[in-house]
Amino acid sequence: DTGVSQDPRHKITKRGQNVTFRCDPISEHNRLYWYRQTLGQGPEFLTYFQNEAQLEKSRLLSDRFSAERPKGSFSTLEIQRTEQGDSAMYLCASSRLQTGTDTQYFGPGTRLTVL
Amino acid sequence: EDKVVQSPLSLVVHEGDTVTLNCSYEVTNFRSLLWYKQEKKAPTFLFMLTSSGIEKKSGRLSSILDKKELFSILNITATQTGDSAVYLCAVVTSGTYKYIFGTGTRLKVLA
Repeated sequence: DTGVSQDPRHKITKRGQNVTFRCDPISEHNRLYWYRQTLGQGPEFLTYFQNEAQLEKSRLLSDRFSAERPKGSFSTLEIQRTEQGDSAMYLCASSRLQTGTDTQYFGPGTRLTVL
Repeated sequence: EDKVVQSPLSLVVHEGDTVTLNCSYEVTNFRSLLWYKQEKKAPTFLFMLTSSGIEKKSGRLSSILDKKELFSILNITATQTGDSAVYLCAVVTSGTYKYIFGTGTRLKVLA
């Protein structure tokens, strides 16, 4: 499978715990994005990377959230001291920097439930 | 603030019907508009539109953009139960590459 993969697919945690999600983009895609989607809403942008550089972060990304892409390949999203309001689907997408296309390809998502 | 609005929020039709989904936007420095289909998992790409008046078509699905009136429509003809999904519209602005999504239109096609 050469698509975007995410791990884990589901995560249940207790409030106050830390969680980390991983995203593996399509190989040769140098842009990687994180979105959060809650029930009945469209995805909301969190942050994106071009290669290993984090170029933009949303105001939604509080100090408890951190994302990395250390070697410009896979990325991790960590949430510290989780809160019930963090319960959502976390989607990762990747794209290739290429003139004339903005198409992003999405992974299956990680569904987080904070009890 | 940049905004993307989709209508209707939900729609129930019978197989064989034709549906039109709407997406309007208010953004600075528009670059492109994209449609995705989401069926309880990752959104899958349908169309990318950058120019007004040019229809994109794929089978029973088609889409067109009006950059003067700031909207796009997605048409699905001869609907099938497999078309049941949430259809998402996203806008990209110049200078950034993030998507600004609408809330989506939930389509249910009854047999």
